[in-house]
Amino acid sequence: ETGVTQTPRHLVMGMTNKKSLKCEQHLGHNAMYWYKQSAKKPLELMFVYSLEERVENNSVPSRFSPECPNSSHLFLHLHTLQPEDSALYLCASSQDKWTGELFFGEGSRLTVL
Amino acid sequence: GQNIDQPTEMTATEGAIVQINCTYQTSGFNGLFWYQQHAGEAPTFLSYNVLDGLEEKGRFSSFLSRSKGYSYLLLKELQMKDSASYLCAVRHNAGNMLTFGGGTRLMVKP
Repeated sequence: ETGVTQTPRHLVMGMTNKKSLKCEQHLGHNAMYWYKQSAKKPLELMFVYSLEERVENNSVPSRFSPECPNSSHLFLHLHTLQPEDSALYLCASSQDKWTGELFFGEGSRLTVL
Repeated sequence: GQNIDQPTEMTATEGAIVQINCTYQTSGFNGLFWYQQHAGEAPTFLSYNVLDGLEEKGRFSSFLSRSKGYSYLLLKELQMKDSASYLCAVRHNAGNMLTFGGGTRLMVKP
């Protein structure tokens, strides 16, 4: 496999559920990102990890909890979400946090009932 | 803070040329990027400008004027497969993070 892979591609969950989104990159990059893409809104940066250290937390509610166990894997743990959290969650990686060329995964489409 | 504006939708004809504009207001500008996103797919990198002028890459060119806070993406010899959203993104000195505009949905018609 090459590039950035996200699982699951689609997820439906209730407001009381706990689930996780997974991202894996096979590009040897040192920075990884979570973005949220909602209908008719710009891509919103949520979290940035550089060399497994969180370097950006863009005022995201605590019901979203990121985890970066190594430079190839990134998780987004979800709990007690709200219907307005329904969106496409995109993972991306870059060579390092100084590089603006991002490589995106195809996203995880989340629906919160 | 930062503010990025681009048209919401544009329509053009196959074989024609289209220019997608992006204006921005930001403190600490450190580069402008264009991404292409087909419906249901991941955004993919198209171009990067940090100095004023035109960068050409095949059928696609991107222009930047830092003094005017303005960029455009020029697509020549349009093909049906160019129907997609085009995202303008600005990088800031603080943290080198990208802030994205809302995207321009381009529809190419026969």
